[in-house]
Amino acid sequence: QSVLTQPPSASGTPGQRVTISCSGTSSNIGSHTVNWYQQLPGTAPKLLIYDNNQRPSGVPDRFSGSKSGTSASLAISGLQSEDETDYYCGAWDDSLNGPVFGGGTKLTVL
Amino acid sequence: EVQLVESGGRLVQPGGSLRLSCAASGFTFSMYWMTWVRQAPGKGLEWVANIKHDGSVAYYGDSVKGRFTVSRDNAKKSLFLQMNSLRADDTAVYYCTRDGKWELLGAFDVWGQGTMVTVSS
Repeated sequence: QSVLTQPPSASGTPGQRVTISCSGTSSNIGSHTVNWYQQLPGTAPKLLIYDNNQRPSGVPDRFSGSKSGTSASLAISGLQSEDETDYYCGAWDDSLNGPVFGGGTKLTVL
Repeated sequence: EVQLVESGGRLVQPGGSLRLSCAASGFTFSMYWMTWVRQAPGKGLEWVANIKHDGSVAYYGDSVKGRFTVSRDNAKKSLFLQMNSLRADDTAVYYCTRDGKWELLGAFDVWGQGTMVTVSS
């Protein structure tokens, strides 16, 4: 059971905008910034969004993040077939005194 | 090129020990907190341990506390994870990751390719 809650799956058609939610508590998302990771099959995760809404160099601006209270969202606009993969949210947790993650969302491009 | 390369993963029997290594290159290793994250087959990500840039402080996830020890050798730009009393539920891909520069952020901008640890008789 993951500390942060994500929907196990999401889907959209090419060109569409999709969002993936991440729900936490006051000890994690409510108090700290949220990061998002993209994991392609058989590879290591890659940092996609940090500090709620910042993109590392090289990440397309189709990807954006937001946070409100104890929840966060990852939005992908102009959906492409290459976006079909797994996405994880993460944040620091004061109760566990360490980083925690969501269970992951598998995005399908229909 | 900034890079992390793990090694040491293999099949080990329950109750056994294993030492993982991570070689860093392309950045000033001694400036960064480093973190081990693991992923069981078909499952999500789990924090294992992290260590301060100078090696003076380390923190552990509840599931490995007392059994695993993280260490580093800044002169050799290397990170280690000593794993003792291994259990079947420790079976996972173990990733070496780069955390914050000088401060602990819990955000990981560089990942190794991972090394597989299988605990089974």
